[in-house]
Amino acid sequence: DVQLLESGGGLVQPGGSLTLSCAASGFSISSYAMSWVRQAPGKGLEWVSVIGTDGGSRYFADSVKGRFTISRDNSKNTLFLLMSSLRAEDTAVYYCAKEHGSSWCYFDSWGQGSLVTVSS
Amino acid sequence: DIQMTQFPSTLSASVGDRVTITCRSSQSIGRWLAWYQQKPGEAPKLLIYDASNLESGVPSRFSGSGSGTDFILTITSLQPGDFATYYCQQYNGQYTFGQGTKLEIK
Repeated sequence: DVQLLESGGGLVQPGGSLTLSCAASGFSISSYAMSWVRQAPGKGLEWVSVIGTDGGSRYFADSVKGRFTISRDNSKNTLFLLMSSLRAEDTAVYYCAKEHGSSWCYFDSWGQGSLVTVSS
Repeated sequence: DIQMTQFPSTLSASVGDRVTITCRSSQSIGRWLAWYQQKPGEAPKLLIYDASNLESGVPSRFSGSGSGTDFILTITSLQPGDFATYYCQQYNGQYTFGQGTKLEIK
């Protein structure tokens, strides 16, 4: 059974940093591109970032470019999102999502989400 | 960037009804479109991919159609568990979601 389990969310002050982790089980992330998608309270879904299978290709939404970075440790079957210079508008539930293929594909599995709250 | 416009934003219907949700892209995306269902407090769930392919385990009352810039999600014979929010997503290079359609019980 494919499972994705996010962790690392919490309350952080504006300008602060936080790292989210997504531990995968039931499949090897090394064969799939992986993304982060977020959802602000009461709002819709917003794609944040994607990383290719070997970590060589990484793309970001304009809203987080230069502040967030994505990485993966295929040996530990884990995806990461490093968030810095956090703003109130970054407050959201952050989901990790498995892509069906190795690049630019739909998301066939999602984690349960990790809430990040940016507030003083 | 490709923009996705989804409508209606809210849809009221009754159990047993047939409903349609439309998604329009700002430029042609071929058939690179997915539909997701999200219930409160839960992660999104994949329903349809490549515009019209039903994800394994999804009931056949869900169907998708369209190509290019115009896409439709159809749900026939609505069941109580279908009342949720639905999102379209394009994956023709980068990703964009529609704003969502909340399907409510009339």
